Amino acid sequence: EAGVVQSPRYKIIEKKQPVAFWCNPISGHNTLYWYLQNLGQGPELLIRYENEEAVDDSQLPKDRFSAERLKGVDSTLKIQPAELGDSAVYLCASSPKLAGGSRFYNEQFFGPGTRLTVL
Amino acid sequence: AQKITQTQPGMFVQEKEAVTLDCTYDTSDQSYGLFWYKQPSSGEMIFLIYQGSYDEQNATEGRYSLNFQKARKSANLVISASQLGDSAMYFCAMRRPGTYKYIFGTGTRLKVLA
Repeated sequence: EAGVVQSPRYKIIEKKQPVAFWCNPISGHNTLYWYLQNLGQGPELLIRYENEEAVDDSQLPKDRFSAERLKGVDSTLKIQPAELGDSAVYLCASSPKLAGGSRFYNEQFFGPGTRLTVL
Repeated sequence: AQKITQTQPGMFVQEKEAVTLDCTYDTSDQSYGLFWYKQPSSGEMIFLIYQGSYDEQNATEGRYSLNFQKARKSANLVISASQLGDSAMYFCAMRRPGTYKYIFGTGTRLKVLA
């Protein structure tokens, strides 16, 4: 079974330029996540999709960040314009639908991430 | 508020030896889950082990075990018989049941020496 695919793996841009990251989740996973991982930190959730609906985007800086998941499969995360402080790793993850009530957890499967460097 | 603390920025262990990675947590919830993830240099986060707050037995998965001490709010990861491939960043995390959001610690970088 193929894992979560992300591209590009590395991106170097100058500040004020736009940048986009692409994610293809595991087949059949209806939940998709974008995480931001700063150097020396754990990942922080930016946005979560259930199918094509963004159900939690409270941590997404909406002035410059946007995301879409038009057909409920692939997703794109965009930054426009990029700032120096956006240099980080952007991780995508997917999971099957959480089931079984409040006692249960579902596993999130992570992609390899895109390492962004803003100069 | 929930918080995860990993106080060891880096650890060394000799190949074939056991190593313990520390994790303490803070929460006022009665029900929660504790997770450990491995992040090799390739970047992906790999799930290792899970412990529920109401689980009486410590979780084990192969060479990984979780030393869960609820009263001390600690959930240390024990890796037995370390291998060179265990060299990676290790993150402790917490989630509320039925939710999707992880609270991650800052991680511990483990280096296994030949």
